[in-house]
Amino acid sequence: DVVMTQTPPSLSVAIGQSVSISCKSSQSLVYSDGKTYLHWLLQSSGRSPKRLIYQVSNLDSGVPDRFSGTGSQKDFTLKISRVEAKDLGVYYCAQTTHFPNTFGAGTKLELK
Amino acid sequence: EVQLVESGGGLVQPGRSLKLSCAASGFTFSNYGMHWIRQAPTKGLEWVASISPSGGSTYYRDSVKGRFTISRDNAKSTLYLQMDSLRSEDTATYYCATRRLDYWGQGVMVTVSS
Repeated sequence: DVVMTQTPPSLSVAIGQSVSISCKSSQSLVYSDGKTYLHWLLQSSGRSPKRLIYQVSNLDSGVPDRFSGTGSQKDFTLKISRVEAKDLGVYYCAQTTHFPNTFGAGTKLELK
Repeated sequence: EVQLVESGGGLVQPGRSLKLSCAASGFTFSNYGMHWIRQAPTKGLEWVASISPSGGSTYYRDSVKGRFTISRDNAKSTLYLQMDSLRSEDTATYYCATRRLDYWGQGVMVTVSS
């Protein structure tokens, strides 16, 4: 199975600060079609997960451009600029390139 | 508006069965591969099973192989998860989601306990 190593496990931030979350996979996430199926999800308290970014760097509809995703092959980063209160929750990276699909352990973003 | 609505959860004794449903609307269900993903209390996300758009291909995590069956009825736009021989470690909120995780249901709780 592809292991997704996500760091840090938690982040304490002030509103307006910028943060980065790292996600490293044990195998390349490039699929046979040339695309990289690495996604970022946010699970707000008591809610279902919601996809924010797909295929490394593409923002889902309605996601502000304060969010950005970068990376390739096995090394990926989510950056949130100017954190707002509504950004708080648990962020997960997820790969759907290989079966079984796997998730990072999550990064809890909370207010300082 | 895309909606995925799970149902069928509840409290069940170890060794018994339960069948989850996920009713889809707002998109062409038959074009999408689908997942069941679960989340144990206070834990992270864990992929359980997937099915191709036609239903011809299915995939399972090792711990549920032989016990869980994923299926779909494209005419009814509904995804299913038949769970047999349930164990306490299957206790979780179960979500249905589309193949690339763009849409998720609200989740349904399954508790396996005597």
